[in-house]
Amino acid sequence: QKEVEQNSGPLSVPEGAIASLNCTYSDRGSQSFFWYRQYSGKSPELIMSIYSNGDKEDGRFTAQLNKASQYVSLLIRDSQPSDSATYLCAENSGGYQKVTFGIGTKLQVIP
Amino acid sequence: ETGVTQTPRHLVMGMTNKKSLKCEQHLGHNAMYWYKQSAKKPLELMFVYSLEERVENNSVPSRFSPECPNSSHLFLHLHTLQPEDSALYLCASSQSWAGSYNEQFFGPGTRLTVL
Repeated sequence: QKEVEQNSGPLSVPEGAIASLNCTYSDRGSQSFFWYRQYSGKSPELIMSIYSNGDKEDGRFTAQLNKASQYVSLLIRDSQPSDSATYLCAENSGGYQKVTFGIGTKLQVIP
Repeated sequence: ETGVTQTPRHLVMGMTNKKSLKCEQHLGHNAMYWYKQSAKKPLELMFVYSLEERVENNSVPSRFSPECPNSSHLFLHLHTLQPEDSALYLCASSQSWAGSYNEQFFGPGTRLTVL
């Protein structure tokens, strides 16, 4: 049974700070990893994908992957109140096999 | 229309009703998915279609019946549902083949309430 573990939060950070969201996964065969942002009452929106060990940066977002530790994280720099949402971590073992999602971490950015 | 669309956005039905959810993707993808999202639970994959063929059925009760007439359209037919089936039903699509990264894009969802 593949599992993706996340702390459900809420994680509260002040505006302008760095928000750090963490995720661990159980399947060593996982090849691709995703971070989705889900606002309350809305559907998940893909914000980052990462496939190789190391860091991947996109604007204020940085995804970090460590396959040896089975750990993936998302850093949000200069957090804004509009970043307040639930962030879902997900992993895929390749092809059209199912993507396994974590429960999501609720982030609150305090003005 | 762009991305993935779903209709209706909200649905209230009785346990004896029959209704259908519709999903359409405008991304040229070859795989489509139905997920169920309930409060305080991870997204649950229900069905996967690849090139219009069902390739995954995660032990979903038979009161949920999927249909994929072509690579752009996906339906979820509902009948004799239970109150515990009330949830957000999400459709997603991806460009998927062996070795692909399978980035999935979601529609806005249908909020289903079963009375």
